[in-house]
Amino acid sequence: QVQLVESGGGVVQPGRSLRLSCVASGFSFNTYGMHWVRQAPVKGLEWVAVISYDGRNQYFADSMKGRFTISRDNSKNTLYLQMNRLRVEDTAVYFCAREGARYCSGARCKTVAMDVWGQGTTVTVSS
Amino acid sequence: DIQMTQSPSSLSASVGDRVTITCRASQTISIYLNWYQQKPGKAPNLLIFAASTLQSGVPSRFSGSGSGTDFTLTISSLQPEDFATYFCQQTYGTPLTFGGGTNVEIK
Repeated sequence: QVQLVESGGGVVQPGRSLRLSCVASGFSFNTYGMHWVRQAPVKGLEWVAVISYDGRNQYFADSMKGRFTISRDNSKNTLYLQMNRLRVEDTAVYFCAREGARYCSGARCKTVAMDVWGQGTTVTVSS
Repeated sequence: DIQMTQSPSSLSASVGDRVTITCRASQTISIYLNWYQQKPGKAPNLLIFAASTLQSGVPSRFSGSGSGTDFTLTISSLQPEDFATYFCQQTYGTPLTFGGGTNVEIK
């Protein structure tokens, strides 16, 4: 069964750090790019970051650059999000997601969408 | 950043109705537009990718169309399990961005 399970959320004071984990199972984790997406209370979805299948390439939303780090350990089938200098506005449910939906045009194929999501882990930043 | 504007932000409909949700990008994104459904307390679920490709396991009453800047999600005959919030997302370039969502409620 293809599954993603996040953990590591909690209540933390502004300025502190937190590391989220996402354990994958049921698929070849080391062949997929992976994303973090967050959702503030009663708000929409906000993309956080992506990491390539081999960990060599990462991209972040502007508001997280310099504060958040995305990494992965393919030997442990685990994705991480290290969040430093947390702000009240970082309060959200954080989802990990697999970039697995594949679109092909002729002989060229690329992954274009998040086809598997975890259940989310809640991060609350409050003094 | 590419801005994604969804409309309407909410709608009321009855079972059996045809429902259309639109999404407009602030610049051309080719066909790199996805649609997700989200129910309260749950993770988003991919419905349509690359503007019009139905994700495996998604009922055929869902369809997507469009290219460039204007896109549409259509539910041909609304079912009770379709009452949810729908989001569009562009994956043309980073930062990836989502629309604000459309809440589909029971009339």
